[in-house]
Amino acid sequence: DIQVTQSPSSLSASVGDRVTITCQASQDIANYLNWYQQKPGKAPKLLIYDASNLETGVPSRFSGSGSGTHFTFTISSLQPEDVATYYCQEYESLHITFGQGTRLEIE
Amino acid sequence: QLQLQESGPGRVKPSETLSLTCTVSGDSISATVYYWGWIRQPPGKGLEWIGSTYYRGRTYSNPSLESRVTMSIDKSKNQFSLSLSSVTAADTAVYYCATTPSATIITYFDYWGPGTLVSVSS
Repeated sequence: DIQVTQSPSSLSASVGDRVTITCQASQDIANYLNWYQQKPGKAPKLLIYDASNLETGVPSRFSGSGSGTHFTFTISSLQPEDVATYYCQEYESLHITFGQGTRLEIE
Repeated sequence: QLQLQESGPGRVKPSETLSLTCTVSGDSISATVYYWGWIRQPPGKGLEWIGSTYYRGRTYSNPSLESRVTMSIDKSKNQFSLSLSSVTAADTAVYYCATTPSATIITYFDYWGPGTLVSVSS
């Protein structure tokens, strides 16, 4: 099965900072990678699909890039409401795998 | 817009079967453009995909859970269900139902229920 390694596991940044999270796949998954935001006590919310496509209604400060085995998720200017845990998810195989998550906090 | 709502017992005894239902509103569960799925999250931990099913019977499950998982669809009630047999404390988690907007492969999950906590204890 495909493994996805997400880093860092936690991150603290200031409002207005540019924040980057990475996901590394154990084999080539083309662009079959998605990103979610999960706030405490809530269900995950889809932000980015197919590596770089912004889900409808998601603010443009969120973006994704990458293909093959290396992927990046970026918040261009961190806002207080972005405090959450972020997950990547691959779907190259028939068996879906999520990354371990990155907990994002405000300094 | 789709809305999903999980329901089921909040507590299950070890070795018994966990059964959950997801009620769908906003579209027919027989719509040809969705896979209906389950994802779980143990307290304080990450997300784990359990499996997804299509109304015509096509089903995919996480290999680590496959032998214990059964999924079904009730078109008359616009619901889909999950059964997980022989549960242990490791199955304690928040269980989410979610949709994939695809009739062919499982890609991403765009609509989610709020989740329901199931605890396994005697």
